[in-house]
Amino acid sequence: DVKVTQSSRYLVKRTGEKVFLECVQDMDHENMFWYRQDPGLGLRLIYFSYDVKMKEKGDIPEGYSVSREKKERFSLILESASTNQTSMYLCASSLQSRLPFFYEQYFGPGTRLTVT
Amino acid sequence: QQQVKQSPQSLIVQKGGISIINCAYENTAFDYFPWYQQFPGKGPALLIAIRPDVSEKKEGRFTISFNKSAKQFSLHIMDSQPGDSATYFCAASNSGGYQKVTFGTGTKLQVIP
Repeated sequence: DVKVTQSSRYLVKRTGEKVFLECVQDMDHENMFWYRQDPGLGLRLIYFSYDVKMKEKGDIPEGYSVSREKKERFSLILESASTNQTSMYLCASSLQSRLPFFYEQYFGPGTRLTVT
Repeated sequence: QQQVKQSPQSLIVQKGGISIINCAYENTAFDYFPWYQQFPGKGPALLIAIRPDVSEKKEGRFTISFNKSAKQFSLHIMDSQPGDSATYFCAASNSGGYQKVTFGTGTKLQVIP
């Protein structure tokens, strides 16, 4: 079974703090993704990575950065947390596309971050 | 810019009824359309997916209908059960990229006994 784990289920931080969210996958997947999920907005892609040390901005990268030093681990960093970053954060991983196959994304359980 | 529009936002269906969720997309480069199911406290999980070269795909009680010319696709859940109560996300992707997926806004389905 593919397993994607996230370091915390719930996290409460203060405005201005630096926040690290960690994600680990155990299936040797090339791709890893960070999303945030908000009611009425669905899942929005923050950043993704297709290889170690490689990253690409998603649709809403402002205020976030990422790090991928090892293939199995992808970290999301909030340099200076703000209240509008209160959200559910979901990590996902997948194999790299090898046409004509398309590989599903496997999600972790999410981290609910509250910034006060 | 919302590239995948999903409706309704919420849906209540009687047990045994048909649940229908609709999605529309704009980007004609999309060539893979998955649906994800999310239960409370869990991450989304792939439910069923379709490519635009077929108009329908069925897996058990779940069917995707696809209309390429209208750029619309829908999920039908036949004989809906209380265990189907979850949030459903339609999505679209271009298989030529890094498997970046664009998700709809989600539909919260409640199946009542």
